[in-house]
Amino acid sequence: EAGVAQSPRYKIIEKRQSVAFWCNPISGHATLYWYQQILGQGPKLLIQFQNNGVVDDSQLPKDRFSAERLKGVDSTLKIQPAKLEDSAVYLCASSLVGAGVSYEQYFGPGTRLTVT
Amino acid sequence: AQKITQTQPGMFVQEKEAVTLDCTYDTSDQSYGLFWYKQPSSGEMIFLIYQGSYDEQNATEGRYSLNFQKARKSANLVISASQLGDSAMYFCAMRDLGSWGKLQFGAGTQVVVTP
Repeated sequence: EAGVAQSPRYKIIEKRQSVAFWCNPISGHATLYWYQQILGQGPKLLIQFQNNGVVDDSQLPKDRFSAERLKGVDSTLKIQPAKLEDSAVYLCASSLVGAGVSYEQYFGPGTRLTVT
Repeated sequence: AQKITQTQPGMFVQEKEAVTLDCTYDTSDQSYGLFWYKQPSSGEMIFLIYQGSYDEQNATEGRYSLNFQKARKSANLVISASQLGDSAMYFCAMRDLGSWGKLQFGAGTQVVVTP
C-alpha cells in the first residue's frame, strides 16, 4: 500500500514570495491533515479536512495561508506572501476516519520550507 | 494551554540498554488516546504505539512498551534493548474527544544511541 506522498521535499523562497505544497493521502482515507513543525517543536495542526470539507482550521493564519482538498483526495497548501517565521517542515497526514480517539494517522515525508 | 509535556529535551543511551522517555498530559475528557511517534532525521513521523484511556493493560509493541499511569496522567515510553537505529526524535501525542481528531504533540525528546 502506497503511503502519503508530498511534494516538493524541499523549497527555498524569499520572503513575500508565494509557495504551494501538494499532498496525496493514502487511498480511501477520508481525513487529511496539514501540520506545521517549526524546528525544535512538535507538529501543530494547521487544517483538517473530512472528505473535501474543513473540520478544523482554527490555527491556520488565514491572512496568508490557504488550503483546499480537490474532490476529497489530493490537497494543496499555499502560503502567500511568505514570512521568515513560516520556515518549517509542513507535514501532511491522513487517516481512515476522523472521529473517536484510537485511530492512527499516517504521515508523509514532509516539505522543508526555508524562507530567506 | 499546553496539553502534552515532555521534560527531557535530549538523552544518551548505550546500545542494548533500556531507556524511558517521559510524557505527561492534561485533559478533562474521560476518553482519550495517547500515541508515541518516532521522527528520524529524514523527517517522517513513524507511529510506534497507542494507549487508550480505558485500556487496563499497558500497551506493548515489540521493543516498545508504554507505562501508563492514569491517575498521574503520565504515559512514558520504554524502549528496551536500544539499537543504533533508534537514534531519533520521539514525540508523545494525545487525542481527546474535544480535539475533533487532531493530535496534540509534545516538544519531543532527542535520543542518541551510542555504541
